[in-house]
Amino acid sequence: GAGVSQSPRYKVAKRGQDVALRCDPISGHVSLFWYQQALGQGPEFLTYFQNEAQLDKSGLPSDRFFAERPEGSVSTLKIQRTQQEDSAVYLCASSLGRGLLNTEAFFGQGTRLTVV
Amino acid sequence: AQTVTQSQPEMSVQEAETVTLSCTYDTSESDYYLFWYKQPPSRQMILVIRQEAYKQQNATENRFSVNFQKAAKSFSLKISDSQLGDAAMYFCAYRSPYEEGGSEKLVFGKGTKLTVNP
Repeated sequence: GAGVSQSPRYKVAKRGQDVALRCDPISGHVSLFWYQQALGQGPEFLTYFQNEAQLDKSGLPSDRFFAERPEGSVSTLKIQRTQQEDSAVYLCASSLGRGLLNTEAFFGQGTRLTVV
Repeated sequence: AQTVTQSQPEMSVQEAETVTLSCTYDTSESDYYLFWYKQPPSRQMILVIRQEAYKQQNATENRFSVNFQKAAKSFSLKISDSQLGDAAMYFCAYRSPYEEGGSEKLVFGKGTKLTVNP
């Protein structure tokens, strides 16, 4: 596709439910990132993939958060047993990666998760 | 760990005027990248301008320019001839240099909300 696509755009979950958020990066982009953006805050890093390898998951807030990118393309961020503090916009970004000098991260429109 | 600070939660400017958004950062690295991103209500982050730390010349993109002061760890964004479409959240971000197997993550500030008055 022309850009990074995320689905769903909006998700309402009852506390304790599991959710899965999908990210379709730009075709050919090696690097993929997930960020969490709380209301009125800047995005905070969650995890990073280079192809299918998850090279950095230092930002995942708890073991309830899990991300995968099994074929090095589409990625899914899963949150188990959602809590109210998980309410945020989840942004996905992709880039050509591999340290290319002018690599730019392209962002999707995010998924707004509300836990009630 | 690197940190990015944006000390202006909100700024406003008159249409056609100039406004400067502030950003400071903390790092022990000598080479890195700095970015300004714009986030309109649609939520999609759009790259406005980037600066490589090894370059002394300030980056410019049309009406957008930066004042990069490496010693002071300051990276401000100047918007000239402000337009109504410039109204958005603006985020300053830092990225470490590439290392094999390392993370290319961005570290963001908390953002500045820019209002453009007609």
